[in-house]
Amino acid sequence: EAQVTQNPRYLITVTGKKLTVTCSQNMNHEYMSWYRQDPGLGLRQIYYSMNVEVTDKGDVPEGYKVSRKEKRNFPLILESPSPNQTSLYFCASSLWQGTDTQYFGPGTRLTVL
Amino acid sequence: GIQVEQSPPDLILQEGANSTLRCNFSDSVNNLQWFHQNPWGQLINLFYIPSGTKQNGRLSATTVATERYSLLYISSSQTTDSGVYFCAVERLGTASKLTFGTGTRLQVTL
Repeated sequence: EAQVTQNPRYLITVTGKKLTVTCSQNMNHEYMSWYRQDPGLGLRQIYYSMNVEVTDKGDVPEGYKVSRKEKRNFPLILESPSPNQTSLYFCASSLWQGTDTQYFGPGTRLTVL
Repeated sequence: GIQVEQSPPDLILQEGANSTLRCNFSDSVNNLQWFHQNPWGQLINLFYIPSGTKQNGRLSATTVATERYSLLYISSSQTTDSGVYFCAVERLGTASKLTFGTGTRLQVTL
């Protein structure tokens, strides 16, 4: 089944404790992206990647890192999480860079205490 | 950056009613997509529609790129249509960056 998977789905952590949210797609998509969703703000793009080893900042990249060492995986890294990073996070992928239907993962609800 | 406005922000319908959701954007685009977020949080792509008209069952969408708006039509609404509908656009000349509107929250009642 074609899908985007994220892990974990739920995470409660404390300020400053490094964490990684994994994202994987099995559709051989070139383009992958991370978004955060906050009430009243819609979805905002954090980082995106147009291909392996090619990443770029979205609208709200501060406090996040990403890497794209393989086409299928695009992990989101929070080196020192803070409470303002409490949010619902989505990973997405599409065949080509942006100008194509995007498929979303199930979301990761992160709480930073 | 590009501004994306959706209206109405909230909508309550009785089952069987029709509705029109609107998305206005402030600049030329080369990508426009409509998404549905169900009550469990899952985001589903409904249409990739930078211009023209598409239909999929009870849903259809029209984008008039020259006038910078898109419409999503829901006919004979069902309770499973409830959730939040998002419009997302990619401004012409920008690479790979989708900007989302704040959504229309739809509740369909029996």
